[in-house]
Amino acid sequence: KAGVTQTPRYLIKTRGQQVTLSCSPISGHRSVSWYQQTPGQGLQFLFEYFSETQRNKGNFPGRFSGRQFSNSRSEMNVSTLELGDSALYLCASSSPRGRETQYFGPGTRLLVL
Amino acid sequence: GENVEQHPSTLSVQEGDSAVIKCTYSDSASNYFPWYKQELGKGPQLIIDIRSNVGEKKDQRIAVTLNKTAKHFSLHITETQPEDSAVYFCAASYGGTSYGKLTFGQGTILTVHP
Repeated sequence: KAGVTQTPRYLIKTRGQQVTLSCSPISGHRSVSWYQQTPGQGLQFLFEYFSETQRNKGNFPGRFSGRQFSNSRSEMNVSTLELGDSALYLCASSSPRGRETQYFGPGTRLLVL
Repeated sequence: GENVEQHPSTLSVQEGDSAVIKCTYSDSASNYFPWYKQELGKGPQLIIDIRSNVGEKKDQRIAVTLNKTAKHFSLHITETQPEDSAVYFCAASYGGTSYGKLTFGQGTILTVHP
């Protein structure tokens, strides 16, 4: 089975722009979670989607949003980018059976200049 | 909310030695505790996990122990090899009802010297 895939792998943006990141879960997985990883804050939960519905959200400003499509693929969007948004954005998927077990993708490295 | 503390932040061992990483959690409702290994340029890889109804779990050279009373859990790696060098993260969640939210420790950089 193919693992979680994320595109693009690397991205450079400037302050004020917006960005959309994509995540394709493992086949058969319906839950997708997003995390932000930075050296200072570590791994922090952004939000989780299941069957196109956001079920849980972390403590991030409204500039961070996401959605999930009927094929379980997910996107996250960050609007009005700030320098502090530079991070590795990771998505993880889990199956309907082992809902708590999350498998991570390689991440998208975002650099905001 | 849940808070997970992880120690040590760095750990250096000789090949063949054992390595132990410890985590404590704050929310007694947490019942699922995975460990992840992250190599440079890659996403975290699940290496072992344990649920609150189990005290210990082992998978070849890796073991995890859980003390629910003290609210701490530990990762034990025996017979370390240079390829074990990576950043290790512990995490905690409410299991299925946490709706995808894992709370992570700050990570431990493990270096295994040949």
